[in-house]
Amino acid sequence: EPEVTQTPSHQVTQMGQEVILRCVPISNHLYFYWYRQILGQKVEFLVSFYNNEISEKSEIFDDQFSVERPDGSNFTLKIRSTKLEDSAMYFCASSSQGFSYEQYFGPGTRLTVT
Amino acid sequence: KNQVEQSPQSLIILEGKNCTLQCNYTVSPFSNLRWYKQDTGRGPVSLTIMTFSENTKSNGRYTATLDADTKQSSLHITASQLSDSASYICVVSPYNAGNNRKLIWGLGTSLAVNP
Repeated sequence: EPEVTQTPSHQVTQMGQEVILRCVPISNHLYFYWYRQILGQKVEFLVSFYNNEISEKSEIFDDQFSVERPDGSNFTLKIRSTKLEDSAMYFCASSSQGFSYEQYFGPGTRLTVT
Repeated sequence: KNQVEQSPQSLIILEGKNCTLQCNYTVSPFSNLRWYKQDTGRGPVSLTIMTFSENTKSNGRYTATLDADTKQSSLHITASQLSDSASYICVVSPYNAGNNRKLIWGLGTSLAVNP
């Protein structure tokens, strides 16, 4: 069964460093999403991406964040200058149609900023 | 404000027992309501997805109900197994094609099934 994959599973970085989280969505899906979940808190929407552009973003997704689909398979989230409060699980998701349709989530990347 | 509230916050049951988790939402209008299972340190996995016109949907031992009038949903787990230990999250998708195209997430109910 097709699934969303994410790498790395765990990333430790120092405050102020840039990180890139990688995702491979399900191959025939057209809509891609990034979410984050701080330990013990709700899943929070960051950004949705369709047709090579951002379709929606939350107030969390400020200038420090960017997304890219560099080729036909990868979908990346970049954080330019990490802060301590960026420590969280980051989930990538994809769907065949828009946000109101079934979204399939990857296993997540645990980002720890020290 | 669009919100999803779940109860109880946590629940402990014995293996083989049934349980029911609750979800109240204020999202209106909405397109669909989903229940996800999230194992610790893993991504959410969809259990059921119901449109506003559906009252109930089952997926194996999981049965979700929806009352769109009272804006309540429940997830019933039958004959619980140790592997059911996880967080169960209620998520509502607003019916809005404008600038609010994102899911509204609950905090989840943490379920522990003990032998």
